[in-house]
Amino acid sequence: EAEVAQSPRYKITEKSQAVAFWCDPISGHATLYWYRQILGQGPELLVQFQDESVVDDSQLPKDRFSAERLKGVDSTLKIQPAELGDSAMYLCASSLSNEQYFGPGTRLTVT
Amino acid sequence: AQSVTQPDIHITVSEGASLELRCNYSYGATPYLFWYVQSPGQGLQLLLKYFSGDTLVQGIKGFEAEFKRSQSSFNLRKPSVHWSDAAEYFCAVGVDSNYQLIWGAGTKLIIKP
Repeated sequence: EAEVAQSPRYKITEKSQAVAFWCDPISGHATLYWYRQILGQGPELLVQFQDESVVDDSQLPKDRFSAERLKGVDSTLKIQPAELGDSAMYLCASSLSNEQYFGPGTRLTVT
Repeated sequence: AQSVTQPDIHITVSEGASLELRCNYSYGATPYLFWYVQSPGQGLQLLLKYFSGDTLVQGIKGFEAEFKRSQSSFNLRKPSVHWSDAAEYFCAVGVDSNYQLIWGAGTKLIIKP
């Protein structure tokens, strides 16, 4: 069964450093989502792509976060500089229509 | 504004007992409704979804949910829980043509042996 791939699974970084996460969606899924999930809360949408275009990045803190999906397939989410409050699980999901499929996530710890 | 409420932060159930997790939503139109499950340190897995039609929907792992428009609810049920059901459960509402989801805060299910 096809799955959404994410790497790394875990990342520890010091504050003020740069960090990047990678996501490879299920083949053929045009829509890709990046979420942030703080412990004990539901996921919060950061950015949504349709192919290579951004559909919604209204909740993305653009002063430090950036996301790209250059060829409309895999995607990278970057944080620079990382802050202590960025410690969270970063989830990627993809969809063909109305059902989102999630990857295993990247657990980020900022020290 | 659209919102999803899961009133129970955590629920403890004995193995073999029945389960009901509550979900209430606020949305002006007929929503798309989802239940996802998340095991510790893992991503989310779709249990079931409601778009239209029969208001009682069956999902994976023996779960079912019932959409009640009059109560704005979509409660998740299972007749007999297993220790492997211990996880966090999230209710979500799809609210626009982009299929974006509004998420509840989750309910952590604890299974007593």
